[in-house]
Amino acid sequence: NAGVTQTPKFRVLKTGQSMTLLCAQDMNHEYMYWYRQDPGMGLRLIHYSVGEGTTAKGEVPDGYNVSRLKKQNFLLGLESAAPSQTSVYFCASSGIPGLLGALHFGNGTRLTVT
Amino acid sequence: AQSVSQHNHHVILSEAASLELGCNYSYGGTVNLFWYVQYPGQHLQLLLKYFSGDPLVKGIKGFEAEFIKSKFSFNLRKPSVQWSDTAEYFCAVNAGGNNNDMRFGAGTRLTVKP
Repeated sequence: NAGVTQTPKFRVLKTGQSMTLLCAQDMNHEYMYWYRQDPGMGLRLIHYSVGEGTTAKGEVPDGYNVSRLKKQNFLLGLESAAPSQTSVYFCASSGIPGLLGALHFGNGTRLTVT
Repeated sequence: AQSVSQHNHHVILSEAASLELGCNYSYGGTVNLFWYVQYPGQHLQLLLKYFSGDPLVKGIKGFEAEFIKSKFSFNLRKPSVQWSDTAEYFCAVNAGGNNNDMRFGAGTRLTVKP
């Protein structure tokens, strides 16, 4: 099993450009999450999904949109990138309600916005 | 919303030294507690977790953590660190029940000198 796979691994954007980060999991997990990791701030939840067709806002949702059209995929979109969105983005999934099973993380996407 | 504080930003130890990393959280209800480790260039991996029962939790690689409810703390310990323990350590808290919002601390970078 591949677990949680994120694409791309690296990306450089110019301010105002858009892009979509893809997260795919092959563990049949219901719950999927997008986090951003910034130095000195740990991980902060952007958006999450508790099942196919559902999404919810996390701690820092502004400037991002998400979609969960298929159970195995969770997409994170930046419509108009800003330098403040320079970060490392991690996708995670969980198979048990309330995060009792803890999170399975992808390898991250390093995004730089110039 | 719950928050998590990790007191030490960077800890430097020699091999065989004992380790204790502090973690405090602010949430008055039932919580699930986690420690994750991120080795250089890798994604976060679960070290250990506490849901209920014995407040002393043992995890992988000789790590353990103690939940002290009265102090809202969940400190991570290891009696004798190794060079391979060099990594960043994150404490995380999830409010009990169906809350899917896991909050992470800012992380503690551990450097173990050989």
